[in-house]
Amino acid sequence: EAQVTQNPRYLITVTGKKLTVTCSQNMNHEYMSWYRQDPGLGLRQIYYSMNVEVTDKGDVPEGYKVSRKEKRNFPLILESPSPNQTSLYFCASSLFGGTGRFPGTDTQYFGPGTRLTVL
Amino acid sequence: AQSVSQHNHHVILSEAASLELGCNYSYGGTVNLFWYVQYPGQHLQLLLKYFSGDPLVKGIKGFEAEFIKSKFSFNLRKPSVQWSDTAEYFCAVKKTGANNLFFGTGTRLTVIP
Repeated sequence: EAQVTQNPRYLITVTGKKLTVTCSQNMNHEYMSWYRQDPGLGLRQIYYSMNVEVTDKGDVPEGYKVSRKEKRNFPLILESPSPNQTSLYFCASSLFGGTGRFPGTDTQYFGPGTRLTVL
Repeated sequence: AQSVSQHNHHVILSEAASLELGCNYSYGGTVNLFWYVQYPGQHLQLLLKYFSGDPLVKGIKGFEAEFIKSKFSFNLRKPSVQWSDTAEYFCAVKKTGANNLFFGTGTRLTVIP
């Protein structure tokens, strides 16, 4: 089954304790992205990756890191989490990113979400 | 600044009522437009999308949306809602050729049986 998976689904941690949220897709997608969802703010993009070893900042990258060593995985790293990073996080992927030449290939498919609480 | 506006924050309807959710964006140039739905406790699912061609787009579950370029709008419609349509609906816009997908703040729809 084609899907985007995230782990863990729920996480409660304390300020300053490094954590990693994993994201994996089995669709051979080149493009992957991380969003956070907060009430009244919708989804905001944190980081995205056009392909292996190619990553770039989204709208709210502060306090986050990512890596793309393999095509299928795109982990989100919080080196020193703070309470303002309490949020619902979604990973997404699409076949390609950005190109308008192949309509539909940049449609993003989302993972189930990770609810993070930082105390 | 680039933005996507969903003016209806919470809409409450009775079953069988008609639905229209507004979405406006502020980008110039060619855009790709999406509506996503998030059912309670679930992840976002694509309802429909517009890339080019016919501005009236039909999606899953009886939803449709109309792209009106002159109004920078992409409103979502359904002629008769069901209780199972209770969810949060997000409009999203991407400039053609760009990488970032910008979301609106979402509209919560509650359908009363």
